[in-house]
Order: sequence, then structure tokens, then C-alpha cells
Amino acid sequence: GIQVEQSPPDLILQEGANSTLRCNFSDSVNNLQWFHQNPWGQLINLFYIPSGTKQNGRLSATTVATERYSLLYISSSQTTDSGVYFCAVRSGGSNYKLTFGKGTLLTVNP
Amino acid sequence: DTEVTQTPKHLVMGMTNKKSLKCEQHMGHRAMYWYKQKAKKPPELMFVYSYEKLSINESVPSRFSPECPNSSLLNLHLHALQPEDSALYLCASSQDLTGRYGYTFGSGTRLTVV
Repeated sequence: GIQVEQSPPDLILQEGANSTLRCNFSDSVNNLQWFHQNPWGQLINLFYIPSGTKQNGRLSATTVATERYSLLYISSSQTTDSGVYFCAVRSGGSNYKLTFGKGTLLTVNP
Repeated sequence: DTEVTQTPKHLVMGMTNKKSLKCEQHMGHRAMYWYKQKAKKPPELMFVYSYEKLSINESVPSRFSPECPNSSLLNLHLHALQPEDSALYLCASSQDLTGRYGYTFGSGTRLTVV
């Protein structure tokens, strides 16, 4: 099946700093999602981005499908950005299963 | 209403008990999912329902039994669980199976099997 690798596994920032999270995938995809899981377990869908660039406030994401990677940018980080960021992908065909990466644990200190 | 509601939030059950987890959404989404998440791991897909029919069963043991009584409700019936089944159980929904309009997750049920 498709492989998803996220880096870095852990990231510690001071409030106000910027960061870039990376997701590499092993096959072509027709669905790529970024999620944030807060420390209480709630998963929030940030972006649907199988290709191209999207922005939502301080967050933006870029997927370069031909090179099989996606980047999530967080600018002016806040303590509420802390948690685990997951990339999840689905390859083509009739398999509708999302495969999750292992995640990046982000800690933003005040 | 843009939420997926899961009940109960916490559940402790013995290995001989029968219990059910409940998931509800009123967004008109036609795909609903059960995921299992162990500590410090990503969510693992268990079941997918599309238009109230089971589409995917990820080889889940029969002690987990899903049910979709209508387009808004998804249940997970639990019977004779093992301590290793202790985990966070997440329900999610999407407009359709493609997921191109995004996924909405519930806040989960933290299950402890004793």
C-alpha cells in the first residue's frame, strides 16, 4: 500500500515563530488531507489539498503531486497550535481508505 | 449543525460486558467512518459506511460490530473485548466517499477494557 512519511516527528517552537511540516508519499494520490489533533484528542480537518496551494489564516499548505510531497506552513505560531499534525492520503482507484502518516508533534511554548 | 457527536465520552467495561458506542451527524453526510487510535499513534480505519451500507471492513475482529440504522446514526457494538482494545474510538463523516469536501471528526470515546 501507499507509504506516508512525515517530518520532523517532533518540533518545539516559541510563540510567534514560523514552521514548516513535511509529508512525503510513495505513490500518486487523488486525496491529501492535513489534520490537527489537539491535546484533548479532537481531530480537525485543516486542508483538502491533493495539489496546488491553499491558505487559511496563519496556515497554508502546498502539495507538489509530481514530486510526491506536501508542506504545511504555520506562521506566527500560538500556544493553541500545539498538538499533532497528521497528513493523510488516498491513492487512486476504488479504495476509499485514507492512510495516515505518523504525525508531527508540535509544542508551542509561551 | 456542523458537528459529529459521539457518546459516551468515556467508557470502562469488563471483558464480558456488551456495550455500544454511538455517533450522530446532521450535516447530510452520506459516508461515515469508525477509527481506532492508540496512544501516540495515528488513527486506524476500522469501518466505512456509504449510503448506510458497509463499504469497507478493515479485517476488524467480530467482537466489534458496526451498525448504521439511518443516514445520521452510526453505532459500534462491543462484546467480549480484550484489554488491548482499550483506545480512543473516533467517528467521522464526509459528504461522500471521495472526501474532497473534507472530513468531520467527533471528539471520540475513550474506552478502557478491564
